[in-house]
Amino acid sequence: GAVVSQHPSWVICKSGTSVKIECRSLDFQATTMFWYRQFPKQSLMLMATSNEGSKATYEQGVEKDKFLINHASLTLSTLTVTSAHPEDSSFYICSARQKGYTFGSGTRLTVV
Amino acid sequence: SQKIEQNSEALNIQEGKTATLTCNYTNYSPAYLQWYRQDPGRGPVFLLLIRENEKEKRKERLKVTFDTTLKQSLFHITASQPADSATYLCALGDDKIIFGKGTRLHILP
Repeated sequence: GAVVSQHPSWVICKSGTSVKIECRSLDFQATTMFWYRQFPKQSLMLMATSNEGSKATYEQGVEKDKFLINHASLTLSTLTVTSAHPEDSSFYICSARQKGYTFGSGTRLTVV
Repeated sequence: SQKIEQNSEALNIQEGKTATLTCNYTNYSPAYLQWYRQDPGRGPVFLLLIRENEKEKRKERLKVTFDTTLKQSLFHITASQPADSATYLCALGDDKIIFGKGTRLHILP
């Protein structure tokens, strides 16, 4: 079945630094990937839709200059949290669509 | 705006009984509805998809119903087991999916 690999699974960074999260589709090509954020005991909130070879589409209220998305190939999308602050600490999850939606295992980001 | 509500934040069910979770939605006419399972610290795992023209769908001990008139889906786990304890998410959408807050299900041994 379809597998989406997400790395790292957790990361701790200092306030003001940038962090990159990778999302790979391992056995299929994904022209579209999705990035979600989940706060404790809350639902997954869609942040942006990542489109291969073109600009990402961001949901209302998500700062595109803070959350940089690059989808340079059919199997890789990256999310970079720039100038991270403690309020960016959250669980970030990517997904890709191939018949159904397959999710990565998530990245726990802690900004200290 | 589109809204998905999963009525119970948490649900405790005795092992062996049937667990029933509810998903209601408003301002939306989805072509299909999905249910996912999420374990702590993990991404969601797809369980079932039901289309608007399907009233019911089954997969092993799981059963989903979809009432487009009531704008409601019910998710049932029969003969529940402690290993079924997790958060269950209802999701709607075509090009991009949105999720309900989920119901934390605890199966008590």
